[in-house]
Amino acid sequence: AQTVTQSQPEMSVQEAETVTLSCTYDTSESDYYLFWYKQPPSRQMILVIRQEAYKQQNATENRFSVNFQKAAKSFSLKISDSQLGDAAMYFCAYSGGSNYKLTFGKGTLLTVNP
Amino acid sequence: AAGVIQSPRHLIKEKRETATLKCYPIPRHDTVYWYQQGPGQDPQFLISFYEKMQSDKGSIPDRFSAQQFSDYHSELNMSSLELGDSALYFCASSRNWDRGYEQYFGPGTRLTVT
Repeated sequence: AQTVTQSQPEMSVQEAETVTLSCTYDTSESDYYLFWYKQPPSRQMILVIRQEAYKQQNATENRFSVNFQKAAKSFSLKISDSQLGDAAMYFCAYSGGSNYKLTFGKGTLLTVNP
Repeated sequence: AAGVIQSPRHLIKEKRETATLKCYPIPRHDTVYWYQQGPGQDPQFLISFYEKMQSDKGSIPDRFSAQQFSDYHSELNMSSLELGDSALYFCASSRNWDRGYEQYFGPGTRLTVT
């Protein structure tokens, strides 16, 4: 079974600075996808960024980028120029196998300090 | 752009009652996933449907059942409700093979069992 581990239950960052959230996963599959979802206090699940395992290039979406290390099974999220609106719970998620259901980590609660 | 619609948004039931949650996926999405998120927990996969057929099953109690209809909307039926069923229930939809199986989440149904 696939597992996703987020070792940082909480992180904080100053507004305008950069923060990196860590995620590791375990799988025996070769074809899979990795995601970061953001869950603000409204509890809506918002897709932040996606990475295909077969792509070596790290995904980037505006201020959000990932560091995907396939051999190490590591998938970290970097948030640059942090904004107050970035404050939320961030979930790392794995999708693969025959159905591509999402397996989530326990989440990292990000606080942005003004 | 159209999003995933869930109804009702909030539901309060008593123990041993029955609840029905509805999900309307994004148009042209052929796959629906149901997730349960308990307080302070990560979302857990319950069940999924592809083209109106059950495609995968997770840790869904036998008291729960679900189906996907000809118009692709899905319903999650929960019977003999227990206090532990109180949670946020998400529906997510995706279009198979599209954009790395990205799943788009609805706003969730908050179920409270008293």
